[in-house]
Amino acid sequence: NAGVTQTPKFQVLKTGQSMTLQCAQDMNHEYMSWYRQDPGMGLRLIHYSVGAGITDQGEVPNGYNVSRSTTEDFPLRLLSAAPSQTSVYFCASSYTTTGTDTQYFGPGTRLTVL
Amino acid sequence: ELKVEQNPLFLSMQEGKNYTIYCNYSTTSDRLYWYRQDPGKSLESLFVLLSNGAVKQEGRLMASLDTKARLSTLHITAAVHDLSATYFCAVDEAGGSEKLVFGKGTKLTVNP
Repeated sequence: NAGVTQTPKFQVLKTGQSMTLQCAQDMNHEYMSWYRQDPGMGLRLIHYSVGAGITDQGEVPNGYNVSRSTTEDFPLRLLSAAPSQTSVYFCASSYTTTGTDTQYFGPGTRLTVL
Repeated sequence: ELKVEQNPLFLSMQEGKNYTIYCNYSTTSDRLYWYRQDPGKSLESLFVLLSNGAVKQEGRLMASLDTKARLSTLHITAAVHDLSATYFCAVDEAGGSEKLVFGKGTKLTVNP
């Protein structure tokens, strides 16, 4: 298994540009989520999904969209990038949707918005 | 709103010493997780604690959960340099929702 994969690893955007961060998992996990990590802030939940076709907002959803058309993929879309979205983005997945399993994290995407 | 606080945020210790990292949280939950992150890397799962009184050990690390006190501890025994990393605790927001709220992390440096 490749586990949780994310592309790209690094990205530089200009303010106002849009882009999609890709996340895929091959472990047949129901739960998938996106976090952002900022220095001194820990990780904060952006959006999550408990299965294909089901998504919901986390703590910091503004400026981001998600969809989940398959179990494997959970892309994160930045609609109009802002410098405040400069961060490291992690995708995670879990077998359960009830918190009894750990979440497995992808390698991260480091995004800079100029 | 769930708040998760870790103490200390920075910890410098000598090899061979023992120390404890504390994770306090503000609302009821019986699901707590510990992760390790090396610089520039992703998060690695260390422990999943799912009930009051849960204790788990792996090598020189031991984690425990007291849901009544809303407190988890990560105890380091006889630290070695390889344990240098940032350690995060995370609490399930609604005791089974999978919506995790993370502490800010404890950056541990183990000096020879």
